[in-house]
Amino acid sequence: SAVISQKPSRDICQRGTSLTIQCQVDSQVTMMFWYRQQPGQSLTLIATANQGSEATYESGFVIDKFPISRPNLTFSTLTVSNMSPEDSSIYLCSVGEKSTGMNTEAFFGQGTRLTVV
Amino acid sequence: AQSVAQPEDQVNVAEGNPLTVKCTYSVSGNPYLFWYVQYPNRGLQFLLKYITGDNLVKGSYGFEAEFNKSQTSFHLKKPSALVSDSALYFCAVSDRGSTLGRLYFGRGTQLTVWP
Repeated sequence: SAVISQKPSRDICQRGTSLTIQCQVDSQVTMMFWYRQQPGQSLTLIATANQGSEATYESGFVIDKFPISRPNLTFSTLTVSNMSPEDSSIYLCSVGEKSTGMNTEAFFGQGTRLTVV
Repeated sequence: AQSVAQPEDQVNVAEGNPLTVKCTYSVSGNPYLFWYVQYPNRGLQFLLKYITGDNLVKGSYGFEAEFNKSQTSFHLKKPSALVSDSALYFCAVSDRGSTLGRLYFGRGTQLTVWP
């Protein structure tokens, strides 16, 4: 299974500022995703990070608020822009790999716990 | 549209007793089904998955799950619970036709095992 390193593990930020979260994988992976887990809630997909092209965003999430980069097959960043207290959540990076034409499980980083004050 | 329901926010069991965490799903076509566990201040850890084949799937830490197509369920079970099993459990589904690795999660069930 892929080993995923996510940085920072936690941060406390002032409203109106931005935070960039990094996700590094120890092997090349086909798919990378960013999820949000709000307090007491389930995981919601923010976007699929596409290597060499613009990310694909889910309904309710926009590039201006959550710009994503994926310069290669092992690294991606998610920026939370112009933060407000409502952005306080855990942000998780996830990777998936195709095997013999079948879907497989997704692996997750440890998450970034963001608190906006 | 794909969706997952975990009808119980909390499940409490005594150590040594069997446990069940319930999950039902809705998906177009045949589903891929997963269980993940989240310990405090940790990411999600994969427990087990159903892709095809045997309806009873065995996973990590002694957990197993039974796929029931007629009831569209995928309940997580363990014959004898441990205090260390206390955590947040998520059921997830993926549509074979969808983007690889893109998962739809249930809201989670907090499992508490008391000594």
